[in-house]
Amino acid sequence: DAKTTQPPSMDCAEGRAANLPCNHSTISGNEYVYWYRQIHSQGPQYIIHGLKNNETNEMASLIITEDRKSSTLILPHATLRDTAVYYCIVRVLESSYKLIFGSGTRLLVRP
Amino acid sequence: DAEITQSPRHKITETGRQVTLACHQTWNHNNMFWYRQDLGHGLRLIHYSYGVQDTNKGEVSDGYSVSRSNTEDLPLTLESAASSQTSVYFCASSDLSTGSTDTQYFGPGTRLTVL
Repeated sequence: DAKTTQPPSMDCAEGRAANLPCNHSTISGNEYVYWYRQIHSQGPQYIIHGLKNNETNEMASLIITEDRKSSTLILPHATLRDTAVYYCIVRVLESSYKLIFGSGTRLLVRP
Repeated sequence: DAEITQSPRHKITETGRQVTLACHQTWNHNNMFWYRQDLGHGLRLIHYSYGVQDTNKGEVSDGYSVSRSNTEDLPLTLESAASSQTSVYFCASSDLSTGSTDTQYFGPGTRLTVL
């Protein structure tokens, strides 16, 4: 599975969009980009995933660059409850069900 | 509703004792995983299972064992607890069925302290 690089911390104002970047320059053609988050002391929570097209669900949007070497998770209207550590994970679906977590980005949403 | 539970939620034990942490899921998922998370760090994979009677070592498996006798449960055993195993332990499950996202669902965690 390809390695990912994320900034250790970010902050944004409540109500504004939070844009969390992830670099995965060694990603292979069959590797998906997954995002999870972990709110303090809780188990990680799935947010979204994608292969090469941009994806959107009720929680967030995922923008993957055309060369797939980086991606951005967008929380369109961040709330205080979005304060968490966000993990970007690259993996091959259907060949390895493991998740390898990196250090993630600690997002602080300010009132 | 389907869920994944862990017990106990908190455990204090002594060095050298055998400890078993329970994980139970009601989604009927084939895949189950154990992770540990040390203070201020990300999760590290200990063991995982792709089905009954199947177990595999993760990146930090030394000192731990698992067994999978049914679909619902994957207990994690610390054979002889060490202070270095003080951590928060998370269990997860997933199912890569047709059309699924292979989302992993995590339990609430067990905080283990080894004195």
